[in-house]
This record gives sequence, structure tokens and C-alpha cells, in this order.
Amino acid sequence: AQSVTQLDSHVSVSEGTPVLLRCNYSSSYSPSLFWYVQHPNKGLQLLLKYTSAATLVKGINGFEAEFKKSETSFHLTKPSAHMSDAAEYFCVVSGGSDQGGKLIFGQGTELSVKP
Amino acid sequence: GAVVSQHPSWVICKSGTSVKIECRSLDFQATTMFWYRQFPKQSLMLMATSNEGSKATYEQGVEKDKFLINHASLTLSTLTVTSAHPEDSSFYICSARGPGTAWAEQYFGPGTRLTVT
Repeated sequence: AQSVTQLDSHVSVSEGTPVLLRCNYSSSYSPSLFWYVQHPNKGLQLLLKYTSAATLVKGINGFEAEFKKSETSFHLTKPSAHMSDAAEYFCVVSGGSDQGGKLIFGQGTELSVKP
Repeated sequence: GAVVSQHPSWVICKSGTSVKIECRSLDFQATTMFWYRQFPKQSLMLMATSNEGSKATYEQGVEKDKFLINHASLTLSTLTVTSAHPEDSSFYICSARGPGTAWAEQYFGPGTRLTVT
């Protein structure tokens, strides 16, 4: 079965400093992995996705993530945080065909950005 | 493209009444839609998977008689919370997956905030 663990429930950074949100996954096959962002009382926006192509995935708003199979990780990074990046971030893995391709969500990481 | 809408965006209802939430794919046909609920400061929990023209598949622990799902067309799925109680208050989010998209790519609606008084 597939699962995903976000290692930090809350991350706080200063504006202009790098962002690192950590995610480890478990999958019995090559997974599809996603990062979504959710602003308060809003739906989810896809930041980026990995689907077995390039291991370094570039997304929107300057975010990127690197798929590391040996470490079963898919950490999200951004070189310089902006105030507008403050939100909840979810790492997501797709379930297999036996699970109807359902998405399995991590518990989320709340990112705070200090001025 | 790939826009999903939900209506209403928020609703307040009295305990014991029923509430219907709509999820529409605006610019694509969605053979499969998913319904999630999210409690404050928590992650999304999948409630059910709805396929057009067939019965929804509910996740373990979700009461199918309480949360009625109908996916009557390729662009519309509805979730009806029957005999709502305060513990049903939550943020409900739908997502849609179309026939032309990647196997696991879903597009999310903006969510519906339900408050039961």
C-alpha cells in the first residue's frame, strides 16, 4: 500500500530565506507524487507533480521538488520565501490501480513566513 | 482549463435538515469525481469515489445513507448530507478526473464550508 509522511507539521521561515518542506513516501511501485498548496478556506492548487520523468520537477511560483528513490523522499523547496507563500502544503501519492488511482494525502505542513 | 466549481461555497443549516452540495467540471468531462472532507487544521479525508452512471464507492467508516452521492452526468456530482448534525460541520472538497487526463491527476474544487447549528 502507498503512504506518505510529511516530517514537519509546521515550518517557519523569514521572507527571502529558503524553504524546505520534507516528505517521505512508501510505495510498492514507481509512484506518482504531487505537492498541493491550500490557502485558508480555499481549495487545493497543484504546485507540481512527478510521474516518472525527470527527477527534478519544477512547479509554479518558484517551487521545485526532487524525487529521490534511494531515500524515498520528495522534498519541496523554494530558494526565497515570499509572504504570499504562507499556507498549508500537502504531499500526495497516488494509489495504485487496486485503489482506483485514489490520492493519499500527507498530514500537511503549515508554512509561516515572517517579515 | 480543467476548472472545477462547487456550490454553494458556504452554507449554514439547522440540525436535522439536509444539504446538497454540487460539484461541476466546467470545461471537461469527468468520468470520476471524488469527495473529501477536511476538519480544521487537518488533512483531507477521502469520503467516496463517484463514477458517472454508477453507484459511489464509499471509504470505510463513511455512512452511505447519510452522505448521498449522485453522479448523474459527466459534469456534475452532488453530495447530500442528510439529517445533518453539528458533527457534520466541516469543509467539503470535491475533485474531478477526466478521461483524457493522466491516471492520477485530479482537479480540485474550491470547497464548501458547512456549518450545522
